[in-house]
Amino acid sequence: DTGVSQDPRHKITKRGQNVTFRCDPISEHNRLYWYRQTLGQGPEFLTYFQNEAQLEKSRLLSDRFSAERPKGSFSTLEIQRTEQGDSAMYLCASSLVELGKGEQYFGPGTRLTVT
Amino acid sequence: AQRVTQPEKLLSVFKGAPVELKCNYSYSGSPELFWYVQYSRQRLQLLLRHISRESIKGFTADLNKGETSFHLKKPFAQEEDSAMYYCALITSGSRLTFGEGTQLTVNP
Repeated sequence: DTGVSQDPRHKITKRGQNVTFRCDPISEHNRLYWYRQTLGQGPEFLTYFQNEAQLEKSRLLSDRFSAERPKGSFSTLEIQRTEQGDSAMYLCASSLVELGKGEQYFGPGTRLTVT
Repeated sequence: AQRVTQPEKLLSVFKGAPVELKCNYSYSGSPELFWYVQYSRQRLQLLLRHISRESIKGFTADLNKGETSFHLKKPFAQEEDSAMYYCALITSGSRLTFGEGTQLTVNP
């Protein structure tokens, strides 16, 4: 499977713990996006990278959230001091600038449950 | 501020019937709109974009700037069209703003 992959697929953690998710984009894609999706809602944009540069962050991305893409390939999303409100599906997507905006390829998501 | 509204959370039709999934948007700039689909147990994927003016799996969508709408239509629904459909708008940079989605069920 050469699509976008995410790890882990499920994570259960206790409130106050830190969690880290990983996303591996399609290899030739230079843009990488993080979205969050809660039950009954569409995905909400969190942040995106072009190569290793983080170009845009949503106001949803509080100080407890940090994302990195150190070598312009895989990315990590860390949530510190998790809260119950962080429970959601975290989606990663990648795209190629040359394909045009909007054509984003999504991964299967990481479902986070904070107890 | 940009916003995408899908007024129907659930839509149920019979096989062979026409289907229309509604999408309205608000955006001060020149909009680029998309429909994404998520079939059961599959990942979210692009269905079509208004710029391409294409028909994918029999679906079409026309951008109506006067009514700020981008409704998705298919003349004859098939059971395999059952899925969650999201309308999305490209805004600043490359962020996609999604609607809440419409769950389409096509009954035999």
